[in-house]
Amino acid sequence: SAVISQKPSRDICQRGTSLTIQCQVDSQVTMMFWYRQQPGQSLTLIATANQGSEATYESGFVIDKFPISRPNLTFSTLTVSNMSPEDSSIYLCSVGRTGSADTQYFGPGTRLTVL
Amino acid sequence: DQQVKQNSPSLSVQEGRISILNCDYTNSMFDYFLWYKKYPAEGPTFLISISSIKDKNEDGRFTVFLNKSAKHLSLHIVPSQPGDSAVYFCAATPNRDDKIIFGKGTRLHILP
Repeated sequence: SAVISQKPSRDICQRGTSLTIQCQVDSQVTMMFWYRQQPGQSLTLIATANQGSEATYESGFVIDKFPISRPNLTFSTLTVSNMSPEDSSIYLCSVGRTGSADTQYFGPGTRLTVL
Repeated sequence: DQQVKQNSPSLSVQEGRISILNCDYTNSMFDYFLWYKKYPAEGPTFLISISSIKDKNEDGRFTVFLNKSAKHLSLHIVPSQPGDSAVYFCAATPNRDDKIIFGKGTRLHILP
């Protein structure tokens, strides 16, 4: 298993500002994922971040809005840029390995409110 | 366009009785299905999965049933316990290497 922590756990931000969310894993992992859960909606994959390569973004998500860093095998950041109230969501990072969807582990999430 | 649908936002069940959580999907390419459980302020944790070659998978009190022709799966918890109160997410993927598509979740309340 993997233990994942996220910072901050929650934040309230003003529109037009940016927030960087940190994800720390207690072991080295190749694949890290960032998800968003808007109020009343499902978990939606934003991007996959593999160490040593650029993040791969899902349809509807772009790097300018959600830049991701993956400097090493235990850490990643997601920035929510130029925020609007529609960005109010829970953001979760997760880790997994290819071929094992049932061993994907999630962090506790960051609850973001944009005023 | 929701590919994985959980049409019941919440469900209340008496302790000791059976809890049945339902899930429907629209993508016939889905081949692997999962259930995750989420407590408040925690991330989802994997609960049980089923491959499309099976119609039932059991793990202790938890059983998942898959009806491919109806594109429907269900999670049965029996007997239900207070610690089962949580949000349950149904999820699906075309194969175990692919991204996972989640439903909106069903909040289960186990009543004393």
